[in-house]
Amino acid sequence: EVQLVGSGGGLVQPGGSLRLSCAASGFTFSTTWMSWARQAPGKGLEWVASIKEDGSDKKYVDSVRGRFTISRDNAKNSLDLQMNSLRAEDTAVYYCVRGVVSPGLWGQGTLVTVSS
Amino acid sequence: DVVMTQSPLSLPVTLGQPASISCRSSQSLVHSDGNTYLIWFQQRPGQSPRRLIYKVSNRDSGVPDRFSGSGSGTDFTLKISRVEAEDVGVYYCMQGTHWPRTFGQGTKVEIK
Repeated sequence: EVQLVGSGGGLVQPGGSLRLSCAASGFTFSTTWMSWARQAPGKGLEWVASIKEDGSDKKYVDSVRGRFTISRDNAKNSLDLQMNSLRAEDTAVYYCVRGVVSPGLWGQGTLVTVSS
Repeated sequence: DVVMTQSPLSLPVTLGQPASISCRSSQSLVHSDGNTYLIWFQQRPGQSPRRLIYKVSNRDSGVPDRFSGSGSGTDFTLKISRVEAEDVGVYYCMQGTHWPRTFGQGTKVEIK
């Protein structure tokens, strides 16, 4: 089955760190850009970061650049998002997404709550 | 950043009637490769987004043919020919041409 399964969400204090992971299956992971998107509670969708097939190119939205790092392990079919210096406004459901020009597969989402 | 503007933001529709959502971009979405990367997503309550349409007008496998996409340049439309109960949810347009990728605000479709 083609799927993306995200994990790693939880409650973290402002200024803290969290690492999200996404396990991909059912498709050739190493041949596609991968991305993270997020959705704050009751709000719309926001693109967060993307990484090229071989990890040689990474893109970030301005609001997370310098704080978040996207990475991948093609041998393990996994995608990560390291989130540092977290802020209340980073509270959202984070989705692992396949693709970057016409993203066609979204994971189930993992909730990150930044609060004291 | 490219601003994606959807209208309306709320769309009450009678079952069996048509519905139309507009999406306008602040810049042309024609990529240097000649493609126009405008995508439409449906998000049902409590679910992850689901892609319906890619490259303006290409319907995904399994998407009912009552959904159609059209447009060019900066002006795009999603149409539902006859709304069914299962179409309730929020619809987003997204551009995949420019960095960073950006979404419209979302249009909430509900049954009258």
